[in-house]
Amino acid sequence: AQKVTQAQTEISVVEKEDVTLDCVYETRDTTYYLFWYKQPPSGELVFLIRRNSFDEQNEISGRYSWNFQKSTSSFNFTITASQVVDSAVYFCALSEGSSNTGKLIFGQGTTLQVKP
Amino acid sequence: DTAVSQTPKYLVTQMGNDKSIKCEQNLGHDTMYWYKQDSKKFLKIMFSYNNKELIINETVPNRFSPKSPDKAHLNLHINSLELGDSAVYFCASSQVPPGNTEAFFGQGTRLTVV
Repeated sequence: AQKVTQAQTEISVVEKEDVTLDCVYETRDTTYYLFWYKQPPSGELVFLIRRNSFDEQNEISGRYSWNFQKSTSSFNFTITASQVVDSAVYFCALSEGSSNTGKLIFGQGTTLQVKP
Repeated sequence: DTAVSQTPKYLVTQMGNDKSIKCEQNLGHDTMYWYKQDSKKFLKIMFSYNNKELIINETVPNRFSPKSPDKAHLNLHINSLELGDSAVYFCASSQVPPGNTEAFFGQGTRLTVV
């Protein structure tokens, strides 16, 4: 069965600290897609990254980096030198290739609070 | 130029009423979705349409009826609203595999049933 687990419900850090948001997924598909979305206090859902199952290369975008490890079924997200504007709920999501629908299965979300 | 736009942003209505939420995307995507976010922030898919054809219906009460007049529009009509329908409803669009599958979301409609 497909499932996404974000074990950290809430994280609180002080500005400039590094923080890692964990994401563990379950799927039987060999082709799948992993995503991270950000939901700031204003409520919209902002796409951050997509990773294909056949591409385990880690990615860095500014202060954001993602570590995809198939061996542990994890797709963790690190924010370096966090800022107050990073305060949001972050969702990890999975889409299975076999469904061919693009349906997203979301984790429960991690609320990140960055204090000044 | 908003990619996925849904209206209204807020909707307050009484139990038993019928209401609609509209969604439009200008990304040229062939698939559109409705997701529901509950009070605990959990996001779950409700419906998906691909080129105006219903492809996902996730055990949603039949009081909820999506309608897709064309592939750029997906509306959600809700009959006989109940207190438990209060939630944030998100419209989204994407391509399906093997295309780029990231979904882009509208700003959400916060529905409050009183």
